[in-house]
Amino acid sequence: KAGVTQTPRYLIKTRGQQVTLSCSPISGHRSVSWYQQTPGQGLQFLFEYFSETQRNKGNFPGRFSGRQFSNSRSEMNVSTLELGDSALYLCASSREDWTDPWANEKLFFGSGTQLSVL
Amino acid sequence: AQTVTQSQPEMSVQEAETVTLSCTYDTSESDYYLFWYKQPPSRQMILVIRQEAYKQQNATENRFSVNFQKAAKSFSLKISDSQLGDAAMYFCASVGNTGNQFYFGTGTSLTVIP
Repeated sequence: KAGVTQTPRYLIKTRGQQVTLSCSPISGHRSVSWYQQTPGQGLQFLFEYFSETQRNKGNFPGRFSGRQFSNSRSEMNVSTLELGDSALYLCASSREDWTDPWANEKLFFGSGTQLSVL
Repeated sequence: AQTVTQSQPEMSVQEAETVTLSCTYDTSESDYYLFWYKQPPSRQMILVIRQEAYKQQNATENRFSVNFQKAAKSFSLKISDSQLGDAAMYFCASVGNTGNQFYFGTGTSLTVIP
């Protein structure tokens, strides 16, 4: 079974530009979450999508947005990039199965997209 | 909301020795889950061990075990017989049972000395 796939792996942008990152979850996983990882800050929750609906949202400005498609693939968009947006962006998927108490809490991560804003 | 604190930015251990990574957390949820994730240089986050808060018994997975102190809101990870492959960044995390929003600590970078 293929794991969580994130593209691209590396991205270099300049301030003011916008960027779109892509995430394909594990087949059968309907929940997709996004996290921003920076040195010293750890991982910070951006948002979570389930069945094309945003279910949870972290404390990030409106420049950060996302969406999920009917095949569970998700995209994350950052508009008007700032230097502080440079980070590793991780996507994680999980299986929603209420018969298995652990299914919903087990995150499978992709290898991330390293975004550098110059 | 929940917070997770890892007070050790860096730790080192001799190969074959034992090391303990510390984690404290705070949550208002009555039911929650705790995790340790490992992130090697490949950046792939790997689940090491997990604990249900309502279970008093400490979780173990081969050489990895936790010391879960619910009253103290402490969740430390013990790695026994450390191996070179254990070198990585370790993150402590928590999640409530009301959603999929995980809260992560800032990580502990573990070096294993041959």
